[in-house]
Amino acid sequence: DIVMTQSPDSLAVSLGERATINCKSSQSVLYSSNNRNYLVWYQQKPGQPPKLLIYWASTRESGVPDRFSGSGSGTDFTLTISSLQAEDVAVYYCQQYYSSPPTFGQGTRLEIK
Amino acid sequence: QITLKESGPTLVKPTQTLTLTCTFSGFSLSTSGVGVGWIRQPPGKALEWLALIYWDDDKRYSPSLKTRLTITKDTSKNQVVLTMSNMDPVDTATYYCAHIRYYLETSGYFFDYWGQGTLVTVSS
Repeated sequence: DIVMTQSPDSLAVSLGERATINCKSSQSVLYSSNNRNYLVWYQQKPGQPPKLLIYWASTRESGVPDRFSGSGSGTDFTLTISSLQAEDVAVYYCQQYYSSPPTFGQGTRLEIK
Repeated sequence: QITLKESGPTLVKPTQTLTLTCTFSGFSLSTSGVGVGWIRQPPGKALEWLALIYWDDDKRYSPSLKTRLTITKDTSKNQVVLTMSNMDPVDTATYYCAHIRYYLETSGYFFDYWGQGTLVTVSS
């Protein structure tokens, strides 16, 4: 199984500031035939199910604000929130879909400083 | 508009078998490329994928739990059922069903629509 490791486990950022969350996979999730990274990011607010934010490591799902962006390739990925809003308080998860079973990171809790 | 909803018992005793039903709308499990998966989340912990069933009745299970899991579908009722045998207190979790977005070239998938989840507590 591909192991997904996120850092940090928790993060406190001031409103309007940038938040950066990292995700590392134990093996590459880049499929060479199409040059795509099989990685998604989810946002989970308290008491809610996860919400899809980004797929292909950097493609925003429809309706997701453009302050959310994803980057990285191979084994190292980043989710960036360019200007933190109060409604962004949540736990964020990465998940690889390169191989079965699909595996999730342990989550990063994002709070307001 | 795709929606999913989980239903089942909120409390089960150790050693019992859990049966959860996912009732969905907005898509058909007889359409090529469609699948429904189950994911669970113990309180305060991370997400764990459990099982998946595809439109063609192909099934996939978590290697660590496959001896305890069974997933089936009823296309006419728009339902997917997950059973988990020999329940233990460590299986206490919120159980989610979710629609997948599937990519044939690697058989990879992620979860684009989720149910609200159902909390199952295992206790005597």
